[in-house]
Amino acid sequence: SQELEQSPQSLIVQEGKNLTINCTSSKTLYGLYWYKQKYGEGLIFLMMLQKGGEEKSHEKITAKLDEKKQQSSLHITASQPSHAGIYLCGALSGGGADGLTFGKGTHLIIQP
Amino acid sequence: KAGVTQTPRYLIKTRGQQVTLSCSPISGHRSVSWYQQTPGQGLQFLFEYFSETQRNKGNFPGRFSGRQFSNSRSEMNVSTLELGDSALYLCASSLPSDEQFFGPGTRLTVL
Repeated sequence: SQELEQSPQSLIVQEGKNLTINCTSSKTLYGLYWYKQKYGEGLIFLMMLQKGGEEKSHEKITAKLDEKKQQSSLHITASQPSHAGIYLCGALSGGGADGLTFGKGTHLIIQP
Repeated sequence: KAGVTQTPRYLIKTRGQQVTLSCSPISGHRSVSWYQQTPGQGLQFLFEYFSETQRNKGNFPGRFSGRQFSNSRSEMNVSTLELGDSALYLCASSLPSDEQFFGPGTRLTVL
């Protein structure tokens, strides 16, 4: 089964600083999803990457997919308190037959 | 467009009881997936329903079951509750081959 490893597990960043979260897959990535979760709440869809080399941006968040490395990165520029939360990467497993497999998440804390 | 709704939001049950959780997908979405989230195991896929049929199933015991109605609303049932079933249960709806939109979850506590 596919496994997704996220790093770092937790991150404390001063407001205004940039940060990067990585997601590495044990198997070939056919599509990678990034979600954000506020503690104890549902997931908010951020971005979906489907092609190797694809890069998408939304406001101050940029995600890239490196198909060869089976890896995706999420970069936040000039972090703000609203960016705090848990970031989860997910990928379709078994061609979709096993639903979305998720990483354990990266807990992001923004210090004022 | 209304998002995915889940009821109830919070639930407390005792061991041995059974529970039913409900999920209403986004209008027009026919696929509904259920996930269990715990601190130890993270988010794990339970099952997916599409057009009233279970299309995929994760690695969970038979105590976990679900169904989907003709209006795409879905229910999940857990019988003979165990302490380890305490978790946040999330459902997500989607169009075919599209991103999944998640509901706020149902927090189940088993005492």
